[in-house]
Amino acid sequence: GEDVEQSLFLSVREGDSSVINCTYTDSSSTYLYWYKQEPGAGLQLLTYIFSNMDMKQDQRLTVLLNKKDKHLSLRIADTQTGDSAIYFCAESPGGYNKLIFGAGTRLAVHP
Amino acid sequence: GAGVSQTPSNKVTEKGKYVELRCDPISGHTALYWYRQSLGQGPEFLIYFQGTGAADDSGLPNDRFFAVRPEGSVSTLKIQRTERGDSAVYLCASRVASGTYEQYFGPGTRLTVT
Repeated sequence: GEDVEQSLFLSVREGDSSVINCTYTDSSSTYLYWYKQEPGAGLQLLTYIFSNMDMKQDQRLTVLLNKKDKHLSLRIADTQTGDSAIYFCAESPGGYNKLIFGAGTRLAVHP
Repeated sequence: GAGVSQTPSNKVTEKGKYVELRCDPISGHTALYWYRQSLGQGPEFLIYFQGTGAADDSGLPNDRFFAVRPEGSVSTLKIQRTERGDSAVYLCASRVASGTYEQYFGPGTRLTVT
């Protein structure tokens, strides 16, 4: 079956690193994604990783993929108040088709 | 050049009524997706169009839900005999073509069934 699970809430101090974790079930997922949703705004694609990669870095964002354990993580370095949002992990069974989303992790950044 | 647009942004309807939700994808995007997001949940897939045809409609919850994309651009999601449980934000996304994976989302239509 297809299922994506995330912890629901994370609180960090401004300037610290944030790590958001996700587990997925479908081993056929070609790409795995991280989306960001701010209040009243649409979903914004942050980054994605191809399933044959272990790590992808994009400025302050680092994605780690453990395919054996079906575990994905998003690390945000030097977290800022503007990073406060809900972060969704998503898998894409078969690549082009539907995205299966987790319930989202609410990141709260405090001074 | 604009992003995905959806109209209306908010829709309030009475139980049992019919509603139509519209999505305008990014120009030139051949793939179009509908998702539904309930409060506190992640988006849930409904249907995927490649061009004019529905390539995957496995997420439509029942036969009250129907979507069309007659000219391969704008899409309309139609809900008959609305129920209170249909209240959610309906999201549309588009993707440019095969060989690319990024889906770009619109702001959504918030549907409230009273």
